[in-house]
Amino acid sequence: EAGVTQSPTHLIKTRGQQATLRCSPISGHTSVYWYQQALGLGLQFLLWYDEGEERNRGNFPPRFSGRQFPNYSSELNVNALELEDSALYLCASSYRGGGLGQPQHFGDGTRLSIL
Amino acid sequence: AQSVTQLDSQVPVFEEAPVELRCNYSSSVSVYLFWYVQYPNQGLQLLLKYLSGSTLVKGINGFEAEFNKSQTSFHLRKPSVHISDTAEYFCAVQYSGGGADGLTFGKGTHLIIQP
Repeated sequence: EAGVTQSPTHLIKTRGQQATLRCSPISGHTSVYWYQQALGLGLQFLLWYDEGEERNRGNFPPRFSGRQFPNYSSELNVNALELEDSALYLCASSYRGGGLGQPQHFGDGTRLSIL
Repeated sequence: AQSVTQLDSQVPVFEEAPVELRCNYSSSVSVYLFWYVQYPNQGLQLLLKYLSGSTLVKGINGFEAEFNKSQTSFHLRKPSVHISDTAEYFCAVQYSGGGADGLTFGKGTHLIIQP
């Protein structure tokens, strides 16, 4: 069984640009979660998508957005990039149909560097 | 606000010695608890989870954890560590109710195995 895959592995941008990160969940998983792991700030919940809808978001500004496609893959878009957006962005997926408590399975992340 | 506290940022241990990594969470409502491990330049791998039932849960790689509701703790233990256990360990909580689904993570504990 293929795990959660993320692309690209690394992404280098400059301030003010836009970044698009992609995630393919484990087959059969309908929920996709995005997390930011920034130096000194730890892992912070960004967004949760399930069945194509945004279900919840963490304490991040609106320039962090995304979507989930009919095949359950997901994109995270970050507009107007700032230096502090430099971080490892992790995607996770889970089977939502079983309700809360379903373990989330993580990809290896996209390292976003802002110059 | 809901929070997870990992009391030690670093834990040095000699190889083949036992180890305990501490985790406390703040909530009186029902929770689901997880421990994840992160090796360098990788995503998070699920070690074990507590959903309900027996308070002692066993996970992969010889790790186990004990849920203590009265002390709101979920400490991770291993009776004998190996060099390969050197990694960052994260405690995570998912709170039932509120429809959040996103995990709240502790800051992580860096386990350093000394030969």
